[in-house]
Amino acid sequence: GESVGLHLPTLSVQEGDNSIINCAYSNSASDYFIWYKQESGKGPQFIIDIRSNMDKRQGQRVTVLLNKTVKHLSLQIAATQPGDSAVYFCAQVTTDSWGKLQFGAGTQVVVTP
Amino acid sequence: DTAVSQTPKYLVTQMGNDKSIKCEQNLGHDTMYWYKQDSKKFLKIMFSYNNKELIINETVPNRFSPKSPDKAHLNLHINSLELGDSAVYFCASSQAGKETQYFGPGTRLLVL
Repeated sequence: GESVGLHLPTLSVQEGDNSIINCAYSNSASDYFIWYKQESGKGPQFIIDIRSNMDKRQGQRVTVLLNKTVKHLSLQIAATQPGDSAVYFCAQVTTDSWGKLQFGAGTQVVVTP
Repeated sequence: DTAVSQTPKYLVTQMGNDKSIKCEQNLGHDTMYWYKQDSKKFLKIMFSYNNKELIINETVPNRFSPKSPDKAHLNLHINSLELGDSAVYFCASSQAGKETQYFGPGTRLLVL
């Protein structure tokens, strides 16, 4: 399934399927992007990051894609598991901004059996 | 062994009261942050300290006053609490020059 936009939509995914979470960012000066996962009642947890000189980065079951031309970022989760149910945030930062993260609104991912 | 810890986890108080939230990190980082997450899950930075020096101060009412006694601690004091202050407050830390921030578990503040 896919989700687009910065509002807090809900993405319902069947266990075992791939998930795609999209994020449109606004600051073209941003040169570093991070995806965070926030489970219910917990703080945001780092998943994966990417710098603006890259267009793809892979981690364990996750891939982040960056399209600077259209200012778009996506997070792909392979073989989605129940433990992937959470709110996912993209965040952008400019290197000289002293770590001032700008967060997107988040996407709620619900994994169904 | 918690990397970033916050106390208390829950805080319920009356309007007009003064309260403090504490944050500690044992990651050896030199930069710490406070974020506010509203009821719609939107996360916004409030303050940032580097080596006990204030470096980011967003448009936050001056009822909010951060204090950093040392690099490992960043506390948040709130005077004259208002209903609109109800939110989840997250502390985070990072190493200067490395943008990845590590978040605490949050403090859920409810002002009645």
